[in-house]
Amino acid sequence: GENVEQHPSTLSVQEGDSAVIKCTYSDSASNYFPWYKQELGKGPQLIIDIRSNVGEKKDQRIAVTLNKTAKHFSLHITETQPEDSAVYFCAVTGFQKLVFGTGTRLLVSP
Amino acid sequence: SAVISQKPSRDICQRGTSLTIQCQVDSQVTMMFWYRQQPGQSLTLIATANQGSEATYESGFVIDKFPISRPNLTFSTLTVSNMSPEDSSIYLCSVEGGQGTTGELFFGEGSRLTVL
Repeated sequence: GENVEQHPSTLSVQEGDSAVIKCTYSDSASNYFPWYKQELGKGPQLIIDIRSNVGEKKDQRIAVTLNKTAKHFSLHITETQPEDSAVYFCAVTGFQKLVFGTGTRLLVSP
Repeated sequence: SAVISQKPSRDICQRGTSLTIQCQVDSQVTMMFWYRQQPGQSLTLIATANQGSEATYESGFVIDKFPISRPNLTFSTLTVSNMSPEDSSIYLCSVEGGQGTTGELFFGEGSRLTVL
């Protein structure tokens, strides 16, 4: 089955810095790559996604890049703010289901 | 997007008992998914629930332990049976987005169970 690795497991940055989280996957047939943000005590919320026919997608301060050849994709957050502090999960489509990465705890210090 | 309501939001349960979690969606959906998130861990799919048919369980999860009902297109329940402390987790209900959004999942707030 699909195997998704996510790094780093924790990331601490100063407010205003950029943060990058990377995921690698194993199934070259995967074609959908979402990122979820989970705040304490809440369910995961989709923040951005990318499909395999696109190399990069941006939405304000967040962007996702995809390298299908190398089978990895990354989440980029610029100008980080304290409210960006949360756990971020990448995911990859397996056979009719999403397989989630292990999560990255992002802490943005004022 | 879909609005998903789960009950209970949290509960403390005794070993050996069972608890049923309810999931209500504000629109009709074909498939509903149940995930487990153990403390500090990622999300693991338990089963997929289609209306009118038996749920499809992932490897490592069985119907006797996690029976699921799907009586209509907006509602599902997950029961955690004969609980042990290892079942202490957040249980999340999710649905796919509308037409044209294959793969995009919306999640409820989760049901946090603690088993003593």
